[in-house]
Amino acid sequence: DAGITQSPRHKVTETGTPVTLRCHQTENHRYMYWYRQDPGHGLRLIHYSYGVKDTDKGEVSDGYSVSRSKTEDFLLTLESATSSQTSVYFCAITGGDEPDTQYFGPGTRLTVL
Amino acid sequence: SQQGEEDPQALSIQEGENATMNCSYKTSINNLQWYRQNSGRGLVHLILIRSNEREKHSGRLRVTLDTSKKSSSLLITASRAADTASYFCATEHGGATNKLIFGTGTLLAVQP
Repeated sequence: DAGITQSPRHKVTETGTPVTLRCHQTENHRYMYWYRQDPGHGLRLIHYSYGVKDTDKGEVSDGYSVSRSKTEDFLLTLESATSSQTSVYFCAITGGDEPDTQYFGPGTRLTVL
Repeated sequence: SQQGEEDPQALSIQEGENATMNCSYKTSINNLQWYRQNSGRGLVHLILIRSNEREKHSGRLRVTLDTSKKSSSLLITASRAADTASYFCATEHGGATNKLIFGTGTLLAVQP
């Protein structure tokens, strides 16, 4: 998975609790992305980052925040998880020799009860 | 939403047959990419075609792009059971953010 790890890989939490997902890369790539994948919707972009402390919203950013204090780490936070945020979350990076191609992490399956 | 549409949603074929899946999008693109996702795994990049290209090959994969129709097709020749996966198209539209918009995917099942 191109030097990308996600943690945790699985998480079950309760409505209203805060949750933070971590994406870590060893490629020193500039761009990092968070997606969610739901049946019938494909992948939808939540937030992305184009450098340390530089982030922007994607298509489905409501209820999510992100932070990037180091090149290698991109954190996704659900401030108060809701059942509609039950999903599989993927991190991706791009850059290097193929700047248009995204490389994906293994995903985090989040269940909000 | 600018999300692309893929057709068919599901496809079942026998080993050795060819598989064709299609992708349509709504606004002009810089490039179009195809990704594969095996069950429970992350997406893997297959091939990229730029807006000024019409056809591209990579091994058993052939991609065509018709910008006038805003559509692309992915052909997998001589399919194998290991090709069983979901296939997604993704389009990049303008700007310098490298953002991709993904289609809803085609689930391909190759029967041995």
